[in-house]
Amino acid sequence: KAGVTQTPRYLIKTRGQQVTLSCSPISGHRSVSWYQQTPGQGLQFLFEYFSETQRNKGNFPGRFSGRQFSNSRSEMNVSTLELGDSALYLCASSLPPGLDDNEQFFGPGTRLTVL
Amino acid sequence: GENVEQHPSTLSVQEGDSAVIKCTYSDSASNYFPWYKQELGKRPQLIIDIRSNVGEKKDQRIAVTLNKTAKHFSLHITETQPEDSAVYFCAAWISGSARQLTFGSGTQLTVLP
Repeated sequence: KAGVTQTPRYLIKTRGQQVTLSCSPISGHRSVSWYQQTPGQGLQFLFEYFSETQRNKGNFPGRFSGRQFSNSRSEMNVSTLELGDSALYLCASSLPPGLDDNEQFFGPGTRLTVL
Repeated sequence: GENVEQHPSTLSVQEGDSAVIKCTYSDSASNYFPWYKQELGKRPQLIIDIRSNVGEKKDQRIAVTLNKTAKHFSLHITETQPEDSAVYFCAAWISGSARQLTFGSGTQLTVLP
C-alpha cells in the first residue's frame, strides 16, 4: 500500500505571498490532519479534514486554511506569508473516526522557507 | 486544551544502556498515547503506542508504561544501539468531535558507541 505523499517537498516563497500544499492519504484513509513543525514550537496541530469537512482546528490564525476533496486528497493554504511561517508542514492520514481510528501515518512533509 | 510535557529534552547514553523518556498530560479524556521516532530530515514514524485501558506494552527492546491516575507515560528503550539515535516525541490523543494529537516537545536521544 502506498504511503502518504506530499507535494511539493520544498518551497521557497517571499513574505506576503501565498502557498498551497498538497497531501494524498493512504488508500482507504479518509481523514487527513495537518501539522506544523518548527524548532521553537515543535509539532503543532493545524486542522483535520474528514469527508470534505473540517472537523477540528488548532490555534492558528485564519491565514491558514485547508480543504479536502472527494477522493480524500487535501490541500492547505497559507496566505500573506510571514517569516515565522517557515516550517516543515506534515500531513497525516488515518482511518475514519471510530474504533481503532487513532494511528496517524505521516507524509514526508513540505519544507517551506519564507524569505 | 490538552498539554503534553516531555522530559528530558536531550539524553545521551552509552551503547547497551537503557534510555527512559517521560511525558505528562493534562486532560484526563486523552485515551491514546503514541510515541514517534523522527530521524534527521525524515518523517515521524510510530514506534509504539498504548491505549488508556492498558498499563504497559512491550515490543522487543521498546516498552511504554502508562499511569492514568498520575497522567504520565514513559518510553523505555533497552540495549540501546547507535541507530536508536533520533528525536522521540510523545503524544496524547483525545477522541470524539474535538479529536487531535497533541505532541510533547521532543527528546534528542544520542547513543554513544
